[in-house]
Amino acid sequence: AQTVTQSQPEMSVQEAETVTLSCTYDTSESDYYLFWYKQPPSRQMILVIRQEAYKQQNATENRFSVNFQKAAKSFSLKISDSQLGDAAMYFCAYRTPIQGAQKLVFGQGTRLTINP
Amino acid sequence: KAGVTQTPRYLIKTRGQQVTLSCSPISGHRSVSWYQQTPGQGLQFLFEYFSETQRNKGNFPGRFSGRQFSNSRSEMNVSTLELGDSALYLCASSLNAQGEAVLGFNEQFFGPGTRLTVL
Repeated sequence: AQTVTQSQPEMSVQEAETVTLSCTYDTSESDYYLFWYKQPPSRQMILVIRQEAYKQQNATENRFSVNFQKAAKSFSLKISDSQLGDAAMYFCAYRTPIQGAQKLVFGQGTRLTINP
Repeated sequence: KAGVTQTPRYLIKTRGQQVTLSCSPISGHRSVSWYQQTPGQGLQFLFEYFSETQRNKGNFPGRFSGRQFSNSRSEMNVSTLELGDSALYLCASSLNAQGEAVLGFNEQFFGPGTRLTVL
């Protein structure tokens, strides 16, 4: 079974600074999807960024980028130029590429605080 | 396009009762997944429905069940409620979970959740 671990329960960063959230995972599959989801106080889960394991290039979405290290099974999220609206719980998640499988395996989450 | 909707948003029940939660996916989406979120266990996958059939199931007792209707709306039911069932229940819908290599990536869109409190 796949597992996802987020070792940082809480992180804080000054507004406009850069912060990196860590995530490691365990799987025996060679191909899979990895995600970072954001859950603000409203509780609505929002997809921040995704990475397909077969792609060597790290995904980037505006101020959000990942550092995907497949051999190390590491998938960290970097948020540049942090904004107050980035404050939320961030979840790292894994999904198998098996056709039809929509099950997400989540890490325990990291609560990110942005200090003005 | 309207997002995923869940009803009710808040619910209070007592031990031993049963409860039904509803999820309406984004129009055109055929896959609906359910997750339970608690402070202790985090986010855990309950089950997924596609075209009215349960396709995947998590490790939850038989008290947790679900179904999907022909219009893709889904309901989950919890019978004989226990205190530990208090949680935020999230559903997520996606367009088409088959043939991703051909159709492209199918993002899952989450609803706002139903907060269930069991007293």
